[in-house]
Amino acid sequence: DQQVKQNSPSLSVQEGRISILNCDYTNSMFDYFLWYKKYPAEGPTFLISISSIKDKNEDGRFTVFLNKSAKHLSLHIVPSQPGDSAVYFCAASGSGGSNYKLTFGKGTLLTVNP
Amino acid sequence: SQTIHQWPATLVQPVGSPLSLECTVEGTSNPNLYWYRQAAGRGLQLLFYSVGIGQISSEVPQNLSASRPQDRQFILSSKKLLLSDSGFYLCAWSGAGGSYNEQFFGPGTRLTVL
Repeated sequence: DQQVKQNSPSLSVQEGRISILNCDYTNSMFDYFLWYKKYPAEGPTFLISISSIKDKNEDGRFTVFLNKSAKHLSLHIVPSQPGDSAVYFCAASGSGGSNYKLTFGKGTLLTVNP
Repeated sequence: SQTIHQWPATLVQPVGSPLSLECTVEGTSNPNLYWYRQAAGRGLQLLFYSVGIGQISSEVPQNLSASRPQDRQFILSSKKLLLSDSGFYLCAWSGAGGSYNEQFFGPGTRLTVL
């Protein structure tokens, strides 16, 4: 049972345009959401997060939007750059308890074309 | 600042041989520690997590085990490797100095079992 779903395995965008990566979740106990970027043969790098008490969080070119009623979040990258080409993972956690386990989606490969 | 180390970076082992992967964290105390595996074409699967010395929780039944002999050291082991153990193993930490919700990953170990 996949609790975090990234339904698009890949996305191709032109340099300078907006990249929109989507993520859906099913567990209503999730209250914290994160996006990670991963290059091949490297560990994921934390990009941006959002708590369920917010619906938007912005950091430079990266903005995450959360729609709790739809159980949907998205990552917007504006403007997209070739160096943004990587696999992007959506992750979710419920902060109850002491483990703060993350549940990851399967990732979306973003390719930004020059 | 906090840093996380993993070694070795790559490993090729025969089926049936033992395994020991090590992860250490610097610049923080009492972190939560995590072991993940990314199989080819798959997302990140949580294998083990630890909230303190000697405290290990297993997420997926398998022939792997984990130990935490010191506060900032996390070891992934196996007595006899299987072909299906091949993958990219990632260690992560969360906690003091960051947020328990946000996990920070090491560079990973590429394990190939032949």
